[in-house]
Amino acid sequence: GAGVSQTPSNKVTEKGKYVELRCDPISGHTALYWYRQSLGQGPEFLIYFQGTGAADDSGLPNDRFFAVRPEGSVSTLKIQRTERGDSAVYLCASSLRADGRGETQYFGPGTRLLVL
Amino acid sequence: AQTVTQSQPEMSVQEAETVTLSCTYDTSENNYYLFWYKQPPSRQMILVIRQEAYKQQNATENRFSVNFQKAAKSFSLKISDSQLGDTAMYFCAFASSTGGANSKLTFGKGITLSVRP
Repeated sequence: GAGVSQTPSNKVTEKGKYVELRCDPISGHTALYWYRQSLGQGPEFLIYFQGTGAADDSGLPNDRFFAVRPEGSVSTLKIQRTERGDSAVYLCASSLRADGRGETQYFGPGTRLLVL
Repeated sequence: AQTVTQSQPEMSVQEAETVTLSCTYDTSENNYYLFWYKQPPSRQMILVIRQEAYKQQNATENRFSVNFQKAAKSFSLKISDSQLGDTAMYFCAFASSTGGANSKLTFGKGITLSVRP
């Protein structure tokens, strides 16, 4: 079956611009996570959705970052007034459910964002 | 807050040999989950192996096995009969079981493994 997909695979933008990154989770997966991976580092948690609601957004670095999942499937990560420090790979993951039992997360290939 | 430490930035192993990747973590919780993920140059993170902290038996998946030492908070990955396709970055990750339904992962910095032909 289809895995997690993310579009675009690469995005180059200029400082101050607005960007949207899209994630299509595995069909039927209710939990969706966004992570950010800077060069040479492990992924860092940004936000977690259970269904349509953001259950935990404690990892979002500031109010320029926002994410939605209006129908409980596709999610969009939105970054306003981009800064050079936002350059990273943004990873999306989904799991069948989230029950606090270490459910396996399936990752997408990520979107590499470069802010010039 | 939990932390995950991978102190070896890179390792190299000859094809068909065995290699062990180290990981330590810090938590005050008694039950939790530990993972090893593989990230090849294609960037797609792939789950290698998963361990539940309340299970004493070390997890095994084909050529991959772990040495889970709960008291020492150590979780190393052993790769037997290394293959060229094992070349990738490997990340150790932790998930709490006390955060309700949120199973967000805390990752280490990763280790680059190169398998030499």
